[in-house]
Amino acid sequence: AQRVTQPEKLLSVFKGAPVELKCNYSYSGSPELFWYVQYSRQRLQLLLRHISRESIKGFTADLNKGETSFHLKKPFAQEEDSAMYYCALSGLSSGSRLTFGEGTQLTVNP
Amino acid sequence: NAGVMQNPRHLVRRRGQEARLRCSPMKGHSHVYWYRQLPEEGLKFMVYLQKENIIDESGMPKERFSAEFPKEGPSILRIQQVVRGDSAAYFCASSPTTGMSNQPQHFGDGTRLSIL
Repeated sequence: AQRVTQPEKLLSVFKGAPVELKCNYSYSGSPELFWYVQYSRQRLQLLLRHISRESIKGFTADLNKGETSFHLKKPFAQEEDSAMYYCALSGLSSGSRLTFGEGTQLTVNP
Repeated sequence: NAGVMQNPRHLVRRRGQEARLRCSPMKGHSHVYWYRQLPEEGLKFMVYLQKENIIDESGMPKERFSAEFPKEGPSILRIQQVVRGDSAAYFCASSPTTGMSNQPQHFGDGTRLSIL
């Protein structure tokens, strides 16, 4: 069975501090990993995906197959980064469906 | 492109009634996914449809829930004889793919269903 775990429901940092949102997964095979973000009063939107290996809004995430992790990182958090972040997984054995973690609410304080 | 459109945004039903949730995918997208989010939980997959076909319904409850995506018109998630436990946010997503897992899904705003 595939599973995504985000161990922190809430994460609070100060502006300018580094931030890391943790995501661990279990999947027997080669997964596709995503980070989705939901800003206040907005719809869920894709932030980044591991296959693109890109940085969006200063965020990066590296797939670590040895540790089965896909942590989201940003070196200097901004107040506008405050949002709900969801890690998600899909894979060949599960078709197109996404398996989501329970989400981490990030608050960046001034 | 207006994106994925869901309606209604909020739906209130009494126990035993039927709930119908609608989803119009993004223009050019022919694949629709429904997810449910219970309070304090993450999104859980329910069903994946293409036009006139159910591809994967492994996340659908065995009874009272059904989904369709007709040739014309929006996808419909139907819940018959609703119970309090059906209260949740229901999200629709769409993608332009032929079912490959590496294409991102685009989400709607969701329908908040409340059962009295």
